[in-house]
Amino acid sequence: DIEMTQSPSSLSASVGDRITITCRASQSIRTYLSWYQHKPGKAPKLLIYAASSLQSGLPSRFSGSGSGTDFTLTISSVQPEDFATYYCLQSYGTPETFGQGTKVEIK
Amino acid sequence: QVQLQESGPGLVKPSQTLSLTCTVSGGSINSGTYYWTWIRQPAGKGLEWIGRIYTSGTTNYNPSLKSRLTISLDTSKNQFSLRLTSVTAADTAVYYCARDYYKHGEFRLDYWGQGTLVAVSS
Repeated sequence: DIEMTQSPSSLSASVGDRITITCRASQSIRTYLSWYQHKPGKAPKLLIYAASSLQSGLPSRFSGSGSGTDFTLTISSVQPEDFATYYCLQSYGTPETFGQGTKVEIK
Repeated sequence: QVQLQESGPGLVKPSQTLSLTCTVSGGSINSGTYYWTWIRQPAGKGLEWIGRIYTSGTTNYNPSLKSRLTISLDTSKNQFSLRLTSVTAADTAVYYCARDYYKHGEFRLDYWGQGTLVAVSS
C-alpha cells in the first residue's frame, strides 16, 4: 500500500492566518492526490483534486500544489467556517489511502 | 443536485454480517463516468478506503478486507451496497458512501453521504 504521511496532525490558527498542510507519499503518485475537509457529523467535502485543481464553487483561498511525493494544501486566509479536519487521499494505487488528518483549531 | 444516503442496521453482533445500502438521487448510478465507493472512519481515527464498484460490476477492494467484502450494484433501484462478513469490534465505524468521479486516470470523491454509524457488539 502507498503510505501517506500528513503533517502536522493538528494546528491552531487565528482567523485571517495563512496555513499550510503537507502530505508526503511513500512513492511517486504523480498528481493523483485530492484534499478533503471534514467537520464532525457532516459529509467530507472535496476541496482539491489532481493535486492543484480547485473543486467548482469553492473559494479561491484554498489551493493545492505538488507532484510526485510531496504535496501541500494552503488556506490563504483562514475563515471561521474553515475550522475542521483535513485529509489528503492518493488515488494512484489501490487501495486508495488517506493521510492521518490535520485538525485545524481556533487559536 | 446529487445526493447519497446510507442505510442499514446500526448494531451488528460479532461474527455476523454487516450490510449497508447507499441510495443515489439526482443522478444515474449507471453513468459511465463514475465509480461508487465505500469509506469508513472508526471512532477517533482517520478515514479508511474500503472499496469501489463500476457500472460494469468491476470492483476494487482494500486487500485488508477483501476476503470478507462484497460491493454490489442495483441499477434498477439506483443503489449500491456493502456486505462485510464475520465482523468484529474493529469494524465499528461510521460508514460513508461516495461518488468517485473518474477522468483521465484520476479519481475524486465529489459527493458523499452523511455517514451511518455501525457498532459491532453483542
